[in-house]
Order: sequence, then C-alpha cells, then structure tokens
Amino acid sequence: NAGVMQNPRHLVRRRGQEARLRCSPMKGHSHVYWYRQLPEEGLKFMVYLQKENIIDESGMPKERFSAEFPKEGPSILRIQQVVRGDSAAYFCASSDDEGYGYTFGSGTRLTVV
Amino acid sequence: SQQGEEDPQALSIQEGENATMNCSYKTSINNLQWYRQNSGRGLVHLILIRSNEREKHSGRLRVTLDTSKKSSSLLITASRAADTASYFCATSSYGNKLVFGAGTILRVKS
Repeated sequence: NAGVMQNPRHLVRRRGQEARLRCSPMKGHSHVYWYRQLPEEGLKFMVYLQKENIIDESGMPKERFSAEFPKEGPSILRIQQVVRGDSAAYFCASSDDEGYGYTFGSGTRLTVV
Repeated sequence: SQQGEEDPQALSIQEGENATMNCSYKTSINNLQWYRQNSGRGLVHLILIRSNEREKHSGRLRVTLDTSKKSSSLLITASRAADTASYFCATSSYGNKLVFGAGTILRVKS
C-alpha cells in the first residue's frame, strides 16, 4: 500500500501561469481532502471530495481555485493565474467512509516567482 | 475560524525530559487527533482520541481529552532529539474535515 501519493513534490510557476496538483488516495479510500499550509502556520482546510462530487468547498478561495476527483484517476487541485500569495505547501489526505484512517501525502510545495 | 489552538507556541527541553503540549478548541467534536511534522515534510498521524474517551496511550505518547473544558493535552515522555518537530492538534466536528491549530514547535536538545 503506497499511501497517499502527491505529485509533483515541488512546483515552480511564474505569476499568471496555471498550477495543477495531483493526489492519488490510499487504496480503498474514496474521500479526499485538500489543505494548504503557509510558512510557520498550521494547515487550513480547502475542499473535501468524494468520487465525482464536491462535498465541502468552504475553504476554497472563490476565484482561480478548483478541485475535482473524477471517477478514474487522481484528484486534481487547479490554481489558475497564480499569484505570489499562492506560494505554500498543499497537502492532500484521504480517509475511509467513516472518516478514519486519515492519511496525508507528503505535499506539493508550490513556489510562484 | 481557528478551531484548535495549541500552547505553548514553542517549547525547548533537554533530552530525557517530558514535553507537554496543550490544545483548546471551540465547538463540539467527534474526535481530536495529534500530528507531527518535521521541517519541510508531510504530516505523520500520532494518535486519535474520540469524544467519548478521556485518555489514550501509544508508546511514549499520552493524550488526554476534557470535553467539558474543550481541551486536550499531548505528553511525550522521555523525549529524544528525534522528537524535534512541530506538533499539531486537529479536530473533526462533522463532514470529516479536520481543523488544525497553529502548532507547537518542540525542540529537544541532546
């Protein structure tokens, strides 16, 4: 069991470009969560998805950010027209149907230059 | 809004000493979890305590939960240099999402 896989580990984008972050949940997990961590801070919830559905997106910025978890393939967090303030570590986690077995990936560190 | 609030913000101790970190939260919870994060790395799940539990142990870790005071503590006994990391509490209230505190930075000096 490879755990939660995130890629890329590091991503550098110029201002105005698009960033795509991928997350493959643990085998058997159908719930995926995205969190953002700014330097020296804790993680902030962004969005919670199940296969093909967004369950809770209360932490997602209203513009430029979107997330999906298609029937096949990984979950994608997409940031359009990135700005320097988007520079952060983005973590994905997955869980089973009961919300337990919460497991985090190693994160994607996005740097906007 | 911030749910979990840890204190202290930073803690420096000698190897072999015990380290205690506290976490307070505001709303009713289903469970509370503690995580460790080494600098620049991902989160490692340490322990989960359900709302109907008062104390839980795992190796050198001891977690308590007081739902009447909406607080939890994490005790690491006989600390080691390898315990140096940031420690976060996270609460789950509904819908499976976790709400994290700002963390406690623990430094264990050898």
